[in-house]
Amino acid sequence: EAQVTQNPRYLITVTGKKLTVTCSQNMNHEYMSWYRQDPGLGLRQIYYSMNVEVTDKGDVPEGYKVSRKEKRNFPLILESPSPNQTSLYFCASSSLRGGNYNEQFFGPGTRLTVL
Amino acid sequence: EDQVTQSPEALRLQEGESSSLNCSYTVSGLRGLFWYRQDPGKGPEFLFTLYSAGEEKEKERLKATLTKKESFLHITAPKPEDSATYLCAVQARTGGSYIPTFGRGTSLIVHP
Repeated sequence: EAQVTQNPRYLITVTGKKLTVTCSQNMNHEYMSWYRQDPGLGLRQIYYSMNVEVTDKGDVPEGYKVSRKEKRNFPLILESPSPNQTSLYFCASSSLRGGNYNEQFFGPGTRLTVL
Repeated sequence: EDQVTQSPEALRLQEGESSSLNCSYTVSGLRGLFWYRQDPGKGPEFLFTLYSAGEEKEKERLKATLTKKESFLHITAPKPEDSATYLCAVQARTGGSYIPTFGRGTSLIVHP
């Protein structure tokens, strides 16, 4: 089954404790991205990757890091989480065609609370 | 700056009562406009992609249309299972950017 998986699904942590949220896709997609979703603000892109070892900032990259060492995986790293990073996070992937990305497949989400 | 505005923010319908959701956009050259459905606590699920003005796409009770300034998602004879938040997103041509801009969504509730 074609899917995007994220782990963990729920995470409660404390300020400053480094954490990683994993994302994996089994569709051989080139494009992968991370979003956060906050009430009243909608989905905002954090980082994206066009392919292995190619990453770029989205609209709200501050406080986050990503890496793309393998095509299927795109982990999101919060090195020193703060309460304003409490949010619902989604990973997504898409194929690329002619310089455009196609529809994105989203993961189930990770609800992060930073105390 | 690319902008996407969805209206209404919330919509309540009776089962069978057709209606339309609006997505107005301002982008410097449109590569594609996407519609997604999102159920509570879940990731968005793709519905349609529209690329040029005049294009229409249909899927069951849903029909998406596109003009140069806006897109509509028409829902014909909705059922309670159509209740969800519907998201619109645009991909612009600006400088090779691959950052999509999402609207805040329309929350649809269909009463039986």
